[in-house]
Amino acid sequence: GDQVEQSPSALSLHEGTGSALRCNFTTTMRAVQWFRKNSRGSLINLFYLASGTKENGRLKSAFDSKERYSTLHIRDAQLEDSGTYFCAADSGYNKLTFGKGTVLLVSP
Amino acid sequence: AQTIHQWPVAEIKAVGSPLSLGCTIKGKSSPNLYWYWQATGGTLQQLFYSITVGQVESVVQLNLSASRPKDDQFILSTEKLLLSHSGFYLCAWTRDSAETLYFGSGTRLTVL
Repeated sequence: GDQVEQSPSALSLHEGTGSALRCNFTTTMRAVQWFRKNSRGSLINLFYLASGTKENGRLKSAFDSKERYSTLHIRDAQLEDSGTYFCAADSGYNKLTFGKGTVLLVSP
Repeated sequence: AQTIHQWPVAEIKAVGSPLSLGCTIKGKSSPNLYWYWQATGGTLQQLFYSITVGQVESVVQLNLSASRPKDDQFILSTEKLLLSHSGFYLCAWTRDSAETLYFGSGTRLTVL
């Protein structure tokens, strides 16, 4: 089965509200990265975490290797936050496994 | 600052024809390099990685090959394209194995 389970697959938010995306891992991962897809389809790195939490503006991410999950929290969502977000887990050995993505739609 | 450049931006190729996609990284010596592929509607999959010139490790078998002829260059190729090769190809690099992954702008391949 998939090593990385990302949820939800789609999320709708009103401007100013917040929510969380989550990735569960079937095995112990040594790090996690979160990305956002840009307009051309490439991926922009949001966070790299080997443990703990990181925050950048209205985004905050957490990674618990022992409990095998990571989260990406979005607060005070803005229209420009709409897009597709991915987590990717680093199992070591230069291999990164991606989740299937979350399509976020922020509406007025 | 480091930059990553992928070429071409898009390709339309016939089944059975050869393919060569390229990627160069400037501003960083000895980067770890990666090729990823995403079929339409599919999950991004890692295809290859290389930690040094001349060394390439395969992660997923897709009848593709990769080479690293120079420290800053990573090439993805095949002699005979299949319909199933269609998709979006991304090159990426990291400073080291446990580091942030930076992607190129990608190549969209359509095999007809």
